[in-house]
Amino acid sequence: DAMVIQNPRYQVTQFGKPVTLSCSQTLNHNVMYWYQQKSSQAPKLLFHYYDKDFNNEADTPDNFQSRRPNTSFCFLDIRSPGLGDAAMYLCATSARRANTEAFFGQGTRLTVV
Amino acid sequence: GESVGLHLPTLSVQEGDNSIINCAYSNSASDYFIWYKQESGKGPQFIIDIRSNMDKRQGQRVTVLLNKTVKHLSLQIAATQPGDSAVYFCAENEGGADGLTFGKGTHLIIQP
Repeated sequence: DAMVIQNPRYQVTQFGKPVTLSCSQTLNHNVMYWYQQKSSQAPKLLFHYYDKDFNNEADTPDNFQSRRPNTSFCFLDIRSPGLGDAAMYLCATSARRANTEAFFGQGTRLTVV
Repeated sequence: GESVGLHLPTLSVQEGDNSIINCAYSNSASDYFIWYKQESGKGPQFIIDIRSNMDKRQGQRVTVLLNKTVKHLSLQIAATQPGDSAVYFCAENEGGADGLTFGKGTHLIIQP
């Protein structure tokens, strides 16, 4: 029944060591999003794909990159994780670009040591 | 910049009472609003949404009210249950923009 699946649920990485978080969806939605959520804060949009078209938020650091090899999968790459990048990373999908519900995965909790 | 925000970080209610969670937004171009529930360690879960051409929408035990005049959104939960304990976020979509902008969240605590 899982529709948006994130792996792993928990990830520990070393300071400065590249890390990749994964997301897959069974909804066949055109749009996939990555949000960052720090403790006791609201989710913050990092970027999204509309089909193969990548859209970066203006304030997303260059340290964060994304790949979408096909409709079902999307990856978040953090090139050099810093302590401040420790957060919950949420993947979401939607059928349309705007004015519609986004379906969220359970998130990946990233710890940087 | 314009953003969506919440008035109260924590709301404590007695089990069985009605809960009202408020949200203020400042972007007059916002035309779609949505409430999410997020339990600890989980992703946000859709509760209910409303478009700007409506002022009220009801779901199962939940009602969303939209007052565009004062840019205010509220979520009413009837007969609050222990399972309603979570953080509730309002989010908005500016017309034509991609993605949702989230407010700060309200932690709903249910007292027995």
